[in-house]
Amino acid sequence: SQQGEEDPQALSIQEGENATMNCSYKTSINNLQWYRQNSGRGLVHLILIRSNEREKHSGRLRVTLDTSKKSSSLLITASRAADTASYFCATDAVTGGGNKLTFGTGTQLKVEL
Amino acid sequence: NAGVMQNPRHLVRRRGQEARLRCSPMKGHSHVYWYRQLPEEGLKFMVYLQKENIIDESGMPKERFSAEFPKEGPSILRIQQVVRGDSAAYFCASSPNQYNEQFFGPGTRLTVL
Repeated sequence: SQQGEEDPQALSIQEGENATMNCSYKTSINNLQWYRQNSGRGLVHLILIRSNEREKHSGRLRVTLDTSKKSSSLLITASRAADTASYFCATDAVTGGGNKLTFGTGTQLKVEL
Repeated sequence: NAGVMQNPRHLVRRRGQEARLRCSPMKGHSHVYWYRQLPEEGLKFMVYLQKENIIDESGMPKERFSAEFPKEGPSILRIQQVVRGDSAAYFCASSPNQYNEQFFGPGTRLTVL
């Protein structure tokens, strides 16, 4: 798998249900970030979790990070139709210049009424 | 505090023409990153700049592409002699330093006819 690969590629749920998306990566990281992208739009930053953190919450979002498994999950609770979007995880590597992010191919979430 | 600004939002060029994409970072941010997103794919890092310096251009194609971030004014991504394969969404992001989250602009959608 590639750095920052999301699973599943697509997810369809009913409004009110929880949505869980997973992300796997290969190299050691400083941080892992989750972004949302509505169709044809820019990216909205959701949450950043540092390599020494295991879990983080922000509103209806819960992110976990397991550096031993090189994986992260994003949980959206009580989903709404407005949550319909593509979700990307992005990692920045320990080595290499700057803070360039490596994105996965994303999970397309569809929340139906 | 305005977010990251990009212009134009949409740009149409014929093969062989030049494309100039502009990015104004958030106020107080001196780190700028450019990413490219092909249809149905995640973002791919292109270049990382600080004021007047290119820090990491490992994601830039070797020919036709260049970037700058002058002391005054926006960052510019320049594509010379565009080809159809350059059609993509180009996103700029900024951060106050290399350890914080990156905030993305709305993107420039380049279409090469």
